[in-house]
Amino acid sequence: ETGVTQTPRHLVMGMTNKKSLKCEQHLGHNAMYWYKQSAKKPLELMFVYSLEERVENNSVPSRFSPECPNSSHLFLHLHTLQPEDSALYLCASSQDWNPSYEQYFGPGTRLTVT
Amino acid sequence: GQQVMQIPQYQHVQEGEDFTTYCNSSTTLSNIQWYKQRPGGHPVFLIQLVKSGEVKKQKRLTFQFGEAKKNSSLHITATQTTDVGTYFCAGRGETSGSRLTFGEGTQLTVNP
Repeated sequence: ETGVTQTPRHLVMGMTNKKSLKCEQHLGHNAMYWYKQSAKKPLELMFVYSLEERVENNSVPSRFSPECPNSSHLFLHLHTLQPEDSALYLCASSQDWNPSYEQYFGPGTRLTVT
Repeated sequence: GQQVMQIPQYQHVQEGEDFTTYCNSSTTLSNIQWYKQRPGGHPVFLIQLVKSGEVKKQKRLTFQFGEAKKNSSLHITATQTTDVGTYFCAGRGETSGSRLTFGEGTQLTVNP
């Protein structure tokens, strides 16, 4: 349905674990985003990358570490998370990081921290 | 900072009834986007409005951008069960460097 894929789709991890979320876009876009979606809260923008360069970091705790090796791939490295970090993590891409462009979202990774 | 608020938070309608969700910003917007997220799914882009007073239609969906560019609405005529989901607005402020800010969304349930 969309040109943005995310793996894994579901992840359960303990607070001492280290895991990574992966996002890949097949749309030829230059910008990629990580969002956090918690119940009854607006979508929270975490990071924005434009052509592999981070252009925005919205005061996200250091236990979340993004990586963008090229314009098609985006990772979110997780370590020593807290139970309140349990949420749906959505990756998105757009033609450019200018907010005038529509964003294409991936299916998300449902993360549970135990 | 910029805030985008949506009302209502939840709406239950009978199939065939109309539905409207409203989006209000604390600051003037340069553009507003609408997304739909089906249960268990991810947000999907519906439309973007840019001009003051702009009205756009997609079949049974009518989108409007306020004259002051601080509010927007989405109206669905004669809802169908396929309309079920959460509708989000996302607005960008006029100041340089403004990012897209999402509202909390309106969750629509349609009873057959």
